[in-house]
Amino acid sequence: DIQMTQSPSSLSASVGDRVTITCRASQGISNYLAWFQQKPGKAPKSLIYAASSLQSGVPSKFSGSGSGTDFTLTISSLQPEDFATYYCQQYNSYPPTFGGGTKVEIK
Amino acid sequence: QVQLQESGPGLVKPSQTLSLTCTVSGGSISSDIYHWSWIRQPAGKGLEWIGRIYSSGSTIYNPSLKSRVTISVDTSKNQFSLKLSSVTAADTAVYYCARGAAFDPWGQGTLVTVSS
Repeated sequence: DIQMTQSPSSLSASVGDRVTITCRASQGISNYLAWFQQKPGKAPKSLIYAASSLQSGVPSKFSGSGSGTDFTLTISSLQPEDFATYYCQQYNSYPPTFGGGTKVEIK
Repeated sequence: QVQLQESGPGLVKPSQTLSLTCTVSGGSISSDIYHWSWIRQPAGKGLEWIGRIYSSGSTIYNPSLKSRVTISVDTSKNQFSLKLSSVTAADTAVYYCARGAAFDPWGQGTLVTVSS
């Protein structure tokens, strides 16, 4: 299985901050990477697919980049509704695997 | 837009079989553009992919669960289903269904507790 490692596992940030989350794959996955946002008690919501393509309806403050083994999710200006846990996921090969999550908390 | 909804018993006894159904609305499950997955999440933990199915019935399962999992599809009802046999407390989790390789959208999830 491909291991997905996210860092940091948690972070504290203020409203208006620029936040970057990193995801590293244990082997190359081209651009077959997705990012999700999950709020407590809710299902994950897709933000980005193909490493950098924004899902319909997702605000442009979210952006993704990377290819191969190293990827980033950036939130350009953190808003109160963005405090959540973020997961990356590879779909280059079976089984699809997820990172351990990054919890974004209010400073 | 496409919506998914999980349904099934919230409590299953150890050693029994967990059975869940995902109903797809707002779109046809029969499109071979997408496949349909089951994913689970134990409380406070990360996400684990269980398996997926195409409308043709073609399946792939997570090797970690393969011996206990069966996923089936009923195109006439626009539904696909999960069966997980010989459950233990370790199978207690919120179970989600989702569409496609990049998992969009997801159902709201359903909590299944394994307990006697």
